[in-house]
Amino acid sequence: NAGVTQTPKFQVLKTGQSMTLQCAQDMNHNSMYWYRQDPGMGLRLIYYSASEGTTDKGEVPNGYNVSRLNKREFSLRLESAAPSQTSVYFCASSAPRLNTEAFFGQGTRLTVV
Amino acid sequence: KQEVTQIPAALSVPEGENLVLNCSFTDSAIYNLQWFRQDPGKGLTSLLLIQSSQREQTSGRLNASLDKSSGRSTLYIAASQPGDSATYLCAVNSNYNNNDMRFGAGTRLTVKP
Repeated sequence: NAGVTQTPKFQVLKTGQSMTLQCAQDMNHNSMYWYRQDPGMGLRLIYYSASEGTTDKGEVPNGYNVSRLNKREFSLRLESAAPSQTSVYFCASSAPRLNTEAFFGQGTRLTVV
Repeated sequence: KQEVTQIPAALSVPEGENLVLNCSFTDSAIYNLQWFRQDPGKGLTSLLLIQSSQREQTSGRLNASLDKSSGRSTLYIAASQPGDSATYLCAVNSNYNNNDMRFGAGTRLTVKP
């Protein structure tokens, strides 16, 4: 049981390049999330998907797009990376209706130069 | 907008000491509150989840309490060990949208042998 799996673990991009972060969960959770973590600021929600086929903006959505490909997979795309998007990105999943814990991936450390 | 604050930002204690970590939130309309542990360079691991109707949860040496009316939660760690050294994060799920989980910036705990 792998839980939440993110790829890649590390990435360096040049300003203006694009990339997609992949996330998959094997817990049959309806909800999936993308967060970014910056020093001293905790985690901030970028986008979430409450069910397959739906996505919603979180606290800091600008510069990002997401796709809920199926129930298992939720990807985050940076179309034109900026240095301000240098951060650690976490994917998570949960089953809010069951009022149980959220599970997080190991994170992707992204540097934009 | 829900604001989550954790004080102190960092804490250093000798091994064996009992300690309390604090979390405060501004909007009492919460669905649940979770405490997470994060080791350096790793993802988040859920420690305890308190539903809005509950007052506390216990797991081993950990006890988390919730006082919605005052907007506070505490995480009590008994008989601390060096292996408890990590960052502890508090996260609050909104009652208006149970996919909207807001995090505090965390308390970095060091337990000295």
